[in-house]
Amino acid sequence: DTEVTQTPKHLVMGMTNKKSLKCEQHMGHRAMYWYKQKAKKPPELMFVYSYEKLSINESVPSRFSPECPNSSLLNLHLHALQPEDSALYLCASSQEGRGLGEQYFGPGTRLTVT
Amino acid sequence: KQEVTQIPAALSVPEGENLVLNCSFTDSAIYNLQWFRQDPGKGLTSLLLIQSSQREQTSGRLNASLDKSSGRSTLYIAASQPGDSATYLCAVHSGGGADGLTFGKGTHLIIQP
Repeated sequence: DTEVTQTPKHLVMGMTNKKSLKCEQHMGHRAMYWYKQKAKKPPELMFVYSYEKLSINESVPSRFSPECPNSSLLNLHLHALQPEDSALYLCASSQEGRGLGEQYFGPGTRLTVT
Repeated sequence: KQEVTQIPAALSVPEGENLVLNCSFTDSAIYNLQWFRQDPGKGLTSLLLIQSSQREQTSGRLNASLDKSSGRSTLYIAASQPGDSATYLCAVHSGGGADGLTFGKGTHLIIQP
C-alpha cells in the first residue's frame, strides 16, 4: 500500500477562521512533508518532519502551524489566513528524511480563503 | 540554492510518437531525482526515482536517465498514448540540510489521438 490520504479534499474558510488539514500514511514512513502549490506553479516545500520532529521550516508564516502527533499522522493548523494562501496543499511521506527514499504524495486539499 | 529547469514548457505530439522531456539542475550535490506526473487539480503520482549513484531507471514505457555531473536528466516516453497527457514534473532532493524536493516548473504534455 503506497497511499497517502488527505482530508478534507476541499476547504473554504474566512480570514478569521481556524481550520486544520489532516494527512495520514500507513507505510511505516518516518518522514512527512507539507508542500504548497499555487495554480500553474510547481509545489513548494513548507515543512518537513523526520522521526516526528520538525527538521526544517522554510520560513513559512506563523499562521501555518504543523503538528505531527505520531509517525502516521501529520496536521496543518490554519489561522488568520489571507486570500493569497489559497492553493493546493499537498502532503507527502518517504521512508526517511535524508533523501534516500521515494516521496509519495497525497491527492491534496484545495483551500480557498475568502 | 538549487534551481531546476524543465524544457520544453509544453509539448503536443500525435499518438504513438516517442518523446523526450528534459530536466536540468544547478547543484549536482543531490541525493536523488524523481519524476512525477500531475493531472489537472490532482496530486502527484511518482513515476521513477533515480538515486544519485544510478544512471537510469525504467518502468514500462518510461525510461529516466541521470547525468549527475552535468546536472541533467531526461524522461523518455515510448509509444505515447492519449492517457499520457498530463504535466510532468522533475524534482531533486538535495543535500545540505534541505530535506524536501525542489521542483521544476513542469512540462505540459498533450498527446493527440
